Amino acid sequence: GAGVSQSPSNKVTEKGKDVELRCDPISGHTALYWYRQSLGQGLEFLIYFQGNSAPDKSGLPSDRFSAERTGGSVSTLTIQRTQQEDSAVYLCASSLQPGVAKNIQYFGAGTRLSVL
Amino acid sequence: GENVEQHPSTLSVQEGDSAVIKCTYSDSASNYFPWYKQELGKRPQLIIDIRSNVGEKKDQRIAVTLNKTAKHFSLHITETQPEDSAVYFCAEGPLYAYSSASKIIFGSGTRLSIRP
Repeated sequence: GAGVSQSPSNKVTEKGKDVELRCDPISGHTALYWYRQSLGQGLEFLIYFQGNSAPDKSGLPSDRFSAERTGGSVSTLTIQRTQQEDSAVYLCASSLQPGVAKNIQYFGAGTRLSVL
Repeated sequence: GENVEQHPSTLSVQEGDSAVIKCTYSDSASNYFPWYKQELGKRPQLIIDIRSNVGEKKDQRIAVTLNKTAKHFSLHITETQPEDSAVYFCAEGPLYAYSSASKIIFGSGTRLSIRP
């Protein structure tokens, strides 16, 4: 595709429900990041996938959060038993393969999650 | 551990004046320092970057300087215009990311407002 695609663009859910957020990186990009951005705040790192390496999960805030990347392409961020404090914009970014280009991140438009 | 500090958190300048945002990092192995701009409601986008073997880089009204000894780097915007109003994020990390141990780290962001 032309850019990083995220879906849905908006998600409203009730407290306690599970949600899945999807990220389609740019074709050929081997690196994929997930960030959380609360209103007016910075980019909170969640998880980082790079090729076939084990992902860096050091930013996941609790065991309610998990992410997968199937086939080295599409990624899904799952939040179980959502809480109101999970309300934020979830951004995905991808980068081209190492050794080919600089470590530049291309961001998606984000998923705005609202937990009622 | 990995850390990048960004100052100030908010900055207001008169249109036409210059703006400077500073970042300090701790990982001496970092050799790539990008800056991202995030306009209101939009996704972050790369505006300029610098490698560790360069002390300064300019692109029209924006420039970035790097002091690798002191582990400081700064963004300079001259002749500021209303469209420069945004949140700016510094970042640091490896030029090329070969594994999930080599992620980019973002600063906390600076909200720049240009007064007419």
